[in-house]
Amino acid sequence: DQQVKQNSPSLSVQEGRISILNCDYTNSMFDYFLWYKKYPAEGPTFLISISSIKDKNEDGRFTVFLNKSAKHLSLHIVPSQPGDSAVYFCAGRRDDKIIFGKGTRLHILP
Amino acid sequence: DTEVTQTPKHLVMGMTNKKSLKCEQHMGHRAMYWYKQKAKKPPELMFVYSYEKLSINESVPSRFSPECPNSSLLNLHLHALQPEDSALYLCASSQDGTVATNEKLFFGSGTQLSVL
Repeated sequence: DQQVKQNSPSLSVQEGRISILNCDYTNSMFDYFLWYKKYPAEGPTFLISISSIKDKNEDGRFTVFLNKSAKHLSLHIVPSQPGDSAVYFCAGRRDDKIIFGKGTRLHILP
Repeated sequence: DTEVTQTPKHLVMGMTNKKSLKCEQHMGHRAMYWYKQKAKKPPELMFVYSYEKLSINESVPSRFSPECPNSSLLNLHLHALQPEDSALYLCASSQDGTVATNEKLFFGSGTQLSVL
């Protein structure tokens, strides 16, 4: 049973526009949520995280929003750039484990 | 040095072979991890070493045998694998002995394993 769900396998966004990647979770015990970015032939790299007691965290062009009542979080990228084309994994932390979603492939169109 | 280095990048093995995957980090991180990722699936945790001791085994079959010779090295010994074990094997490290205190994982680029 998937505890972290990314229901959109892929997303295409025009360069310069906003990219919104969504994630849902089922485990109420997650205390931190994370986003990782993965390029082909590379390992995932940490992008941004948010504590479960916050509803927003911002780092440059990247903002993560958390809606605990809906068990939903989203990653906003503004403005989208060609280098943002990658697979984005949503993850939750519970105790000493990090549990990942399947990922969403983001394509930034010129 | 902020890298986690995995070797080999690709490995093809038969079901009777014995092989090892290697992982190395020189960031002074105290925890190291093995994840397995199949196509279109999330990375799945296999093992965690904390301060060079095995702290988590996610009920992984015994044909996978992890080893942590020192704080910088992590091996995964493979024996009598099945074709369904073909996957990308990712190594990761974290600064603290557990992600419970620091949630950032640093990943290597992985070993793409094919079992024939």
